[in-house]
Amino acid sequence: GAVVSQHPSRVICKSGTSVKIECRSLDFQATTMFWYRQFPKKSLMLMATSNEGSKATYEQGVEKDKFLINHASLTLSTLTVTSAHPEDSSFYICSARGVLTDTQYFGPGTRLTVL
Amino acid sequence: TQLLEQSPQFLSIQEGENLTVYCNSSSVFSSLQWYRQEPGEGPVLLVTVVTGGEVKKLKRLTFQFGDARKDSSLHITAAQPGDTGLYLCAANQFYFGTGTSLTVIP
Repeated sequence: GAVVSQHPSRVICKSGTSVKIECRSLDFQATTMFWYRQFPKKSLMLMATSNEGSKATYEQGVEKDKFLINHASLTLSTLTVTSAHPEDSSFYICSARGVLTDTQYFGPGTRLTVL
Repeated sequence: TQLLEQSPQFLSIQEGENLTVYCNSSSVFSSLQWYRQEPGEGPVLLVTVVTGGEVKKLKRLTFQFGDARKDSSLHITAAQPGDTGLYLCAANQFYFGTGTSLTVIP
């Protein structure tokens, strides 16, 4: 149980385009989802926290207009990187937390490469 | 953001050796987590410690939370190639340490 999926697993796009990444909880209802980014051989950095049906809370230094987060249902959250640039290239990882547990379960990540 | 420093940053050892990874901060945490991450995948939770001085064991892995709840250590006994990965500590679940990349050579 407690499986989280992400789609796509890899995406390559041109500079200036927008990219949407989906995060789904497959076998539980995720009241809260979290988005992280990770640079090669570096640690995870929390970007934002989203609660179902409400606006996401962004960490300091993360541009909310650049990284649009939507958590429209209890099983799906999306992260849209708008007007992507090469410096946005990174590994984006989501995690989900259910109602009855304090544990967050991580997705497998999405590798974004902006050319 | 709470800064968590891990040491060493990189570690390459022979199969069968023991090792310890440290996670240090100047802040006090209510809980501390250890994760292992393999390339191209998300982190997997190994343990959560919440009480100062707490020691938890998971097979060959021993986790300790400092008495003051500011630091933690992960000790691996008789390391195996399957232990290879990036080990991450995290404060209060969301604020990750700098990471320790472990390679166990057969």
